[in-house]
Amino acid sequence: NAGVTQTPKFQVLKTGQSMTLQCAQDMNHNSMYWYRQDPGMGLRLIYYSASEGTTDKGEVPNGYNVSRLNKREFSLRLESAAPSQTSVYFCASSEATSWDRSNYGYTFGSGTRLTVV
Amino acid sequence: AQSVSQHNHHVILSEAASLELGCNYSYGGTVNLFWYVQYPGQHLQLLLKYFSGDPLVKGIKGFEAEFIKSKFSFNLRKPSVQWSDTAEYFCAVNANNAGNMLTFGGGTRLMVKP
Repeated sequence: NAGVTQTPKFQVLKTGQSMTLQCAQDMNHNSMYWYRQDPGMGLRLIYYSASEGTTDKGEVPNGYNVSRLNKREFSLRLESAAPSQTSVYFCASSEATSWDRSNYGYTFGSGTRLTVV
Repeated sequence: AQSVSQHNHHVILSEAASLELGCNYSYGGTVNLFWYVQYPGQHLQLLLKYFSGDPLVKGIKGFEAEFIKSKFSFNLRKPSVQWSDTAEYFCAVNANNAGNMLTFGGGTRLMVKP
């Protein structure tokens, strides 16, 4: 099925460990995003990639890095995990730009639940 | 930068009750507006969206939302909720100066009692 695939679904890390969250989409979308979801705070944008070869910081980029490996894949790396990074992480992609309104919208992955102890 | 406020964090209703969830945004320019739903253990799914035209937008599963520009609001409504509507609901805004970026509200967790 076409969509956004995230791996892993669950992960427990010790403080200071590193890991990479993987995201791939098979819809040929140009833009990809990483959000974190915390209770009462909705989804906050960590990083985004408007197109292959570009990445930009979002609202909460500290402690994270990203790589847009190719058009399909957009990974999120935690270099030294901290308990404050315990969260649910969602990857999303979108095709049309917001002025192509008939097609504009995000497709979300199923999320990665990360716990840092 | 724009922000989105959802004032109701938790709502509990009985089946067949009417639902209205508030959403206000802070941006004076042109906006595109969305409501997403997240069922327990699942990812976000689009309920409905507004870009222009009729300010009353109908979405899936009997949901609708009304854009009131003067109030910077985009409230979600459903005349009669079902137990299966138990979920978290997120309002989101795309401002015309923000490219493709969506800004989300904090979410409203709805529990419908059978």
